[in-house]
Amino acid sequence: AQRVTQPEKLLSVFKGAPVELKCNYSYSGSPELFWYVQYSRQRLQLLLRHISRESIKGFTADLNKGETSFHLKKPFAQEEDSAMYYCALGYSSASKIIFGSGTRLSIRP
Amino acid sequence: EAQVTQNPRYLITVTGKKLTVTCSQNMNHEYMSWYRQDPGLGLRQIYYSMNVEVTDKGDVPEGYKVSRKEKRNFPLILESPSPNQTSLYFCASSLSERTDTQYFGPGTRLTVL
Repeated sequence: AQRVTQPEKLLSVFKGAPVELKCNYSYSGSPELFWYVQYSRQRLQLLLRHISRESIKGFTADLNKGETSFHLKKPFAQEEDSAMYYCALGYSSASKIIFGSGTRLSIRP
Repeated sequence: EAQVTQNPRYLITVTGKKLTVTCSQNMNHEYMSWYRQDPGLGLRQIYYSMNVEVTDKGDVPEGYKVSRKEKRNFPLILESPSPNQTSLYFCASSLSERTDTQYFGPGTRLTVL
């Protein structure tokens, strides 16, 4: 069965430190992977997709099919990065989607 | 303004009393979806629709119904709500019939007593 695992419920780092939010998935087919973010009092929004291979707000994520991972990284954390982050897997020709349980990122000044 | 709207935003009801949560998007999107968010479980897909009159079950469809008679609207119907349907509900839409980039509504907090 399809599964998305985000092992950390809470990640707290100092401003300027590197950030890595972990995401592992389980899917036998070709996955489509996303990171969504929810800032305080804002709607859930797409941060990035593996298929576009772009960097958004300094964040990058690389799909590692061997390790079935899609970790989100940023070299230098900023206070405005504090938010809830969800990893998501699109499957069944991407008509269905499954989300991880989320990681709350807290950046300390 | 391009957006997804949901109504009501908050609802307290009693077991068995039918209710409908509306969802509307003004972006001419093909794909729409409903999710519920529960503590520690993230978002779980309830139903989705790839186009008008085309709907299908997500991971947790039991106790819910949907319809897609018009492209812009995708209401979520609870025929006989139960306390285990107390949750935060999100509607989302995307341009193509695939999950693509989804745009989320503000959420509806439902409490079933």
